[in-house]
Amino acid sequence: RKEVEQDPGPFNVPEGATVAFNCTYSNSASQSFFWYRQDCRKEPKLLMSVYSSGNEDGRFTAQLNRASQYISLLIRDSKLSDSATYLCVVNMNKGAGSYQLTFGKGTKLSVIP
Amino acid sequence: GAGVSQTPSNKVTEKGKYVELRCDPISGHTALYWYRQSLGQGPEFLIYFQGTGAADDSGLPNDRFFAVRPEGSVSTLKIQRTERGDSAVYLCASSLARGLPGELFFGEGSRLTVL
Repeated sequence: RKEVEQDPGPFNVPEGATVAFNCTYSNSASQSFFWYRQDCRKEPKLLMSVYSSGNEDGRFTAQLNRASQYISLLIRDSKLSDSATYLCVVNMNKGAGSYQLTFGKGTKLSVIP
Repeated sequence: GAGVSQTPSNKVTEKGKYVELRCDPISGHTALYWYRQSLGQGPEFLIYFQGTGAADDSGLPNDRFFAVRPEGSVSTLKIQRTERGDSAVYLCASSLARGLPGELFFGEGSRLTVL
């Protein structure tokens, strides 16, 4: 099983649609979780952290289910500018006090006019 | 303020050559990371520095890859005897946090092409 797994997509959705991305991780001792956004041929940038209680930032909602080792990102009212690749990132416990930020392959989103 | 700076932005080299990629992190960030990203893949961890020391180099694929950060700021990733499979975007990131990393700030990357 890969350490961080995502559906690569692409997800092609019309403007205004709601879209959800899922991510699963293998290491149950993982401590923290993030969604990063990466535009084409650009560097990844933090979109939001993911908290156990779930958190929302405008049109974006992130959820964490530790029991199922599952993270989700929901985007409401999609905009053309949301088109990008969304990377699920997990802070993996590598043992002996060592942690490593591990990225999924990313899910590509295209919002269509 | 200045972000993470990486040079060169593009490097084309021939198989078997030696390459150095440089990263200048955000001032005051003690943690520095190198990742490698191939087309259609997520960033793959290579090495992590806390200050001058490599805290975790478990992602370096083999002994042709080496990285240094002698003064705790600028880092250089060195690749010996390059192979075509080394072609990728090499991303550097820095972070303020010790221990559990918070937000990573990435540079724009160095795109390496090995012919």
